[in-house]
Amino acid sequence: GAVVSQHPSWVICKSGTSVKIECRSLDFQATTMFWYRQFPKQSLMLMATSNEGSKATYEQGVEKDKFLINHASLTLSTLTVTSAHPEDSSFYICSAREGPYSYEQYFGPGTRLTVT
Amino acid sequence: GEDVEQSLFLSVREGDSSVINCTYTDSSSTYLYWYKQEPGAGLQLLTYIFSNMDMKQDQRLTVLLNKKDKHLSLRIADTQTGDSAIYFCAEKWNRDDKIIFGKGTRLHILP
Repeated sequence: GAVVSQHPSWVICKSGTSVKIECRSLDFQATTMFWYRQFPKQSLMLMATSNEGSKATYEQGVEKDKFLINHASLTLSTLTVTSAHPEDSSFYICSAREGPYSYEQYFGPGTRLTVT
Repeated sequence: GEDVEQSLFLSVREGDSSVINCTYTDSSSTYLYWYKQEPGAGLQLLTYIFSNMDMKQDQRLTVLLNKKDKHLSLRIADTQTGDSAIYFCAEKWNRDDKIIFGKGTRLHILP
């Protein structure tokens, strides 16, 4: 099946710094990628949807200047958490969809971010 | 409502059947999904059902869909210790193509 990877799998950073998380589709081209955030024992909250070559569409309440999303190629999307604060600590999961009519999203293994 | 609802916890004896229930929000949702998440890992698609079906069986998994009540269930036959995980119900909204997740049901297997 299709594989989506994320890097790093976990990261610890100091408050005020920025951290970049990569999401790659390894064996297919992803026209659309999604970024989710998951709090402990909570559901996945969709943060934004990104289509290759265009600006990401952010969900209501998600600060686009804080969570910078770039989808520069059909196999790579990045999420940069800028000026991170402890409340940004969370599990970030990306997913990728092969085409606009595909029923399935393939999920990455997630990145655990801890801001100290 | 706007939330996909599912019970948060289910405890089942090994070898018994597990039934996880879910109520979704949009009667026009095209696809309904069950995902499995093991500790510290991402989501694995277990199975899905298209909205014009009312049942789908895949080995030990049986999905039942009641569109009238917007109710989805997942039955796992002969539950094994490896089935211990969080199971997320999700729907694909027709209006904007998003996939919306429930809070997940934590399945605990008793020996």
